[in-house]
Amino acid sequence: EAGVTQFPSHSVIEKGQTVTLRCDPISGHDNLYWYRRVMGKEIKFLLHFVKESKQDESGMPNNRFLAERTGGTYSTLKVQPAELEDSGVYFCASSRSYNEQFFGPGTRLTVL
Amino acid sequence: DQQVKQNSPSLSVQEGRISILNCDYTNSMFDYFLWYKKYPAEGPTFLISISSIKDKNEDGRFTVFLNKSAKHLSLHIVPSQPGDSAVYFCAASDVFGNEKLTFGTGTRLTIIP
Repeated sequence: EAGVTQFPSHSVIEKGQTVTLRCDPISGHDNLYWYRRVMGKEIKFLLHFVKESKQDESGMPNNRFLAERTGGTYSTLKVQPAELEDSGVYFCASSRSYNEQFFGPGTRLTVL
Repeated sequence: DQQVKQNSPSLSVQEGRISILNCDYTNSMFDYFLWYKKYPAEGPTFLISISSIKDKNEDGRFTVFLNKSAKHLSLHIVPSQPGDSAVYFCAASDVFGNEKLTFGTGTRLTIIP
């Protein structure tokens, strides 16, 4: 069974630019989560999809962040426009119902 | 306001000895707790979990203890092995396994050969 994959692994952009991160969950996992870890701090929840629906987006920092999961398969997280404080590692995780979350390797975003 | 706290940023333990990692939480609605292990450049990997109805769960060399009255949990690794060197995150959720996880800041464990 393939794990959660994320693309790109690294992204370096200028402040004000747009970046789109992609996550492919484990096949058959209806639940998909986005998390972020900033500057070695705790890993913070951003949002949770159940299939294509946003179940909980209480962790999204502001309206510069837009997450989608069309068709209930892969998900994208767009940051537009990016700010310096958006730098960090963005993790995606997936799970079946009532099971542990499996994490991808993360995308390291650096905003200059 | 950090709801899950890991007050030790790092811990060094001799190979073969016991490693004890601690975690405290403040939210009394948390009822499911997990430990994740993270190597550099990789995502967190699930290690072991415990429901609030239990006070201990064991899986091989790993045991998690939960003290609900103290809002404290700990992860014991015995015997510690060099491959256990990683960052360990404590996490909690308020619905069994299917809701957002609230993480601590992690403890970097180094096993000294």
